[in-house]
Amino acid sequence: DIQMTQSPSSLSASVGDRVTITCRASQSINSYLNWYQQKPGKAPKLLIYAASNLQSGVPSRFSGSGSGTDFTLTISGLQPEDFATYFCQQSYSTLTFGGGTKVEI
Amino acid sequence: QLQLQDSGPGLVKPSETLSLTCTVSGSSISTTSHYWSWIRQSPGKGLQWIGSISYRGITSYSPSFQTRVTISVDTSKNQFSLRLSSVTAADTAVYYCARRTDWVGDLSSPFFDYWGQGTLVTVSS
Repeated sequence: DIQMTQSPSSLSASVGDRVTITCRASQSINSYLNWYQQKPGKAPKLLIYAASNLQSGVPSRFSGSGSGTDFTLTISGLQPEDFATYFCQQSYSTLTFGGGTKVEI
Repeated sequence: QLQLQDSGPGLVKPSETLSLTCTVSGSSISTTSHYWSWIRQSPGKGLQWIGSISYRGITSYSPSFQTRVTISVDTSKNQFSLRLSSVTAADTAVYYCARRTDWVGDLSSPFFDYWGQGTLVTVSS
């Protein structure tokens, strides 16, 4: 299986901050990379698909970039509702997820 | 609005079979662009894709579960189901059903765009 490594595992930020989360694949996955947001007790919510495409209804402060093995999720202007855990997921081969990045105050 | 509702026992005994059902509402399950999937989440293993099925019954399973998982679909009830056999404490997790979309226009990066609320399944005697 392709291993997905996220960094950092957690971070502290403030409202209005620009936050960047990194996801690294153990081999090249082209642009087969998706990002999710999960809040406690809830199912994950799709934010970005195919590395850089914003899912319908997701605020434009979320953006994704990267290809090959290195990817980033950026939140430009952190809002109170953005405090959550974020996961990457590759779909190049057997679907696997990263370990998550918790964004805390 | 598409909704998925997973249901099933919250407690399963070791060595027995875990069975869950997901009911899809707001849209037919019989769509060609989507696969109906099971994913689980545990503190130890994080999020794990278990497998997916098309409305025609074409399945794909994670190698990690291949030997003991069966996913089936019932289009007449707009439902799909998971069976995981020979469970152990390591199978204790929140189990989610989800819709997998493989294509958006000419872009392919299979993703999960609709999820059920999740069912906590505990394996214990």
